[in-house]
Amino acid sequence: SQQGEEDPQALSIQEGENATMNCSYKTSINNLQWYRQNSGRGLVHLILIRSNEREKHSGRLRVTLDTSKKSSSLLITASRAADTASYFCATDGRLTGGGNKLTFGTGTQLKVEL
Amino acid sequence: DAGVTQSPTHLIKTRGQQVTLRCSPKSGHDTVSWYQQALGQGPQFIFQYYEEEERQRGNFPDRFSGHQFPNYSSELNVNALLLGDSALYLCASSLVGADTYEQYFGPGTRLTVT
Repeated sequence: SQQGEEDPQALSIQEGENATMNCSYKTSINNLQWYRQNSGRGLVHLILIRSNEREKHSGRLRVTLDTSKKSSSLLITASRAADTASYFCATDGRLTGGGNKLTFGTGTQLKVEL
Repeated sequence: DAGVTQSPTHLIKTRGQQVTLRCSPKSGHDTVSWYQQALGQGPQFIFQYYEEEERQRGNFPDRFSGHQFPNYSSELNVNALLLGDSALYLCASSLVGADTYEQYFGPGTRLTVT
């Protein structure tokens, strides 16, 4: 089952604008990760934020985490056409005996138009 | 440094048939996870392999089975295929004990069941 929902399901913006995507989850977490997926292919890791962090930056990406509300947001600043993709949040669950599994949200489809 | 590779890229099977998908992890990684991604959904965890054993399984029936070889590569087998098994199957590799919890994904195998 999906961990939670992402909002909006789809987002269309003009190049140069900022894009904000939100993610809600259901259970307590160790960390939350954001991934990008182009055209239904493999996922690319973007950024990880730990449960004791509130905000993290990486290049044009800014992620916030509110564990009291069980929510996270991903902000992409100065968007480019190449940012067009689906974006997923994923929570990290430890497995018995070690290792971890990712539980993904439903994703936000971002389209950046020229 | 080779990333995660998967084969084949696309596959078309008929209901009731069996299929085997293959995955080679990123160099240096020892753990392989498999995910199923239905159209328009986020990936769902199938199972994870470490030291040639299944570590944990998600909510998938026994028709889904796997194997990990001594070189850490892995196979996913699906028996008695159903139309609902049509999806993108993603393999992800990681390293036990790594602090980042990041999983590296392959490009996926698109399975269509007719």
